[in-house]
Amino acid sequence: EIVMTQSPATLSVSPGERATLSCRASESASSNLAWYQQKPGQALRLLIYGASTRATGIPARFSGSGSGTEFTLTISSLQSEDFAVYFCQQYNDWPPKLTFGGGTKVEIK
Amino acid sequence: QVQLVESGGGVVQSGGSLRLSCIASGFSFSTYGIHWVRQAPGKGLEWVAVISVDGTVKYYADSVKGRFTISRANSKNTLYLQMNSMRAEDTAVYYCARARNNQLAGSIDYWGQGTLVTVSS
Repeated sequence: EIVMTQSPATLSVSPGERATLSCRASESASSNLAWYQQKPGQALRLLIYGASTRATGIPARFSGSGSGTEFTLTISSLQSEDFAVYFCQQYNDWPPKLTFGGGTKVEIK
Repeated sequence: QVQLVESGGGVVQSGGSLRLSCIASGFSFSTYGIHWVRQAPGKGLEWVAVISVDGTVKYYADSVKGRFTISRANSKNTLYLQMNSMRAEDTAVYYCARARNNQLAGSIDYWGQGTLVTVSS
């Protein structure tokens, strides 16, 4: 099983600043990596798939990069609605065995 | 718009059983694989199972294999999760979620709001 590790666990950022979230895979996930946003009381939201492709309706301030074992989600200028928990997920295994990182909470500094 | 609404959660004793349901709307249910994913209180996400469009192909996480069964009724736009021999570590919010582009080993493009399952000892 590919183990996903996210860092940091909590990121304190001021509105308007850049946030950089990291996700590391225990073995290569190729580019089969997605990012999700979770807010209290709301359904999880797909942000990025294929490591760098924004999902439908996702603002351009969200960008993903990386391949293999190292991945990054960057939020270029944090808006108030971006304060949330973010999860990465790999989908490189077959048969399917999706695994998620432990999450990064982005909080207001 | 795409909607996934879970139900059936509640409190069950250790060793007991529970069946969750997920009703889908806003898309052609029979053309997408669907996952169950769970989240223990205050914890991260754990994938549970996935089912193919016609219900003939199913995959499970090792932690639930042999105890949980995923199924679907396309005529009712409904997904199910039958949970048997439940344990305290099965306590979680359970989400149903749509496989993007019907790729069973892929990303998830829509999630439900979840239903809480609590296993008491």
